[in-house]
Amino acid sequence: KNEVEQSPQNLTAQEGEFITINCSYSVGISALHWLQQHPGGGIVSLFMLSSGKKKHGRLIATINIQEKHSSLHITASHPRDSAVYICAVRSKSGGSNYKLTFGKGTLLTVNP
Amino acid sequence: GAGVSQSPSNKVTEKGKDVELRCDPISGHTALYWYRQSLGQGLEFLIYFQGNSAPDKSGLPSDRFSAERTGGSVSTLTIQRTQQEDSAVYLCASSLQGTTGELFFGEGSRLTVL
Repeated sequence: KNEVEQSPQNLTAQEGEFITINCSYSVGISALHWLQQHPGGGIVSLFMLSSGKKKHGRLIATINIQEKHSSLHITASHPRDSAVYICAVRSKSGGSNYKLTFGKGTLLTVNP
Repeated sequence: GAGVSQSPSNKVTEKGKDVELRCDPISGHTALYWYRQSLGQGLEFLIYFQGNSAPDKSGLPSDRFSAERTGGSVSTLTIQRTQQEDSAVYLCASSLQGTTGELFFGEGSRLTVL
């Protein structure tokens, strides 16, 4: 079982819809990252969070440390939001807390 | 430069040849990572450099893979005697500090081994 599980694997939405992507993990973490990868493109860091909630424009990320769960929300989705969204966690264990463990990603397609 | 720069962006090579992939991190970033992304797979950790400390090479899949970081800046990932299963996108990332910093990724080097 992967230490980081994302759902759904694939998501298709209509422009304007509210999107939620979920991430569950099984290890103690010091931080969780949400990353975005456009087709054929590089990876961009969207959020790094260790508690609570962060908001950038139409994107909101939340994390519940007790439940080992994070969500990425996109409000008023747009076709340019189409990308793979990747959840990654940074282990809390002292010796290797620089390492990230990645989920397999959620492919989001937003149709006009 | 302003971001993490990787070269080449695409490399096609024949099985058995050696390849070198280069990463130029953001100036001042002490932490540098190499990851591999195979088709349909998640990102796989390869190697981590932090300042002048000994690198963590635990993710390198075989002794055909090696990496170095000269002067705490530019890094080169070398794959010797390439195999078809080495075909993947090799991503480099850097951060200001390895244990807490936000990661900045390069565009990746797509390697195809024929």
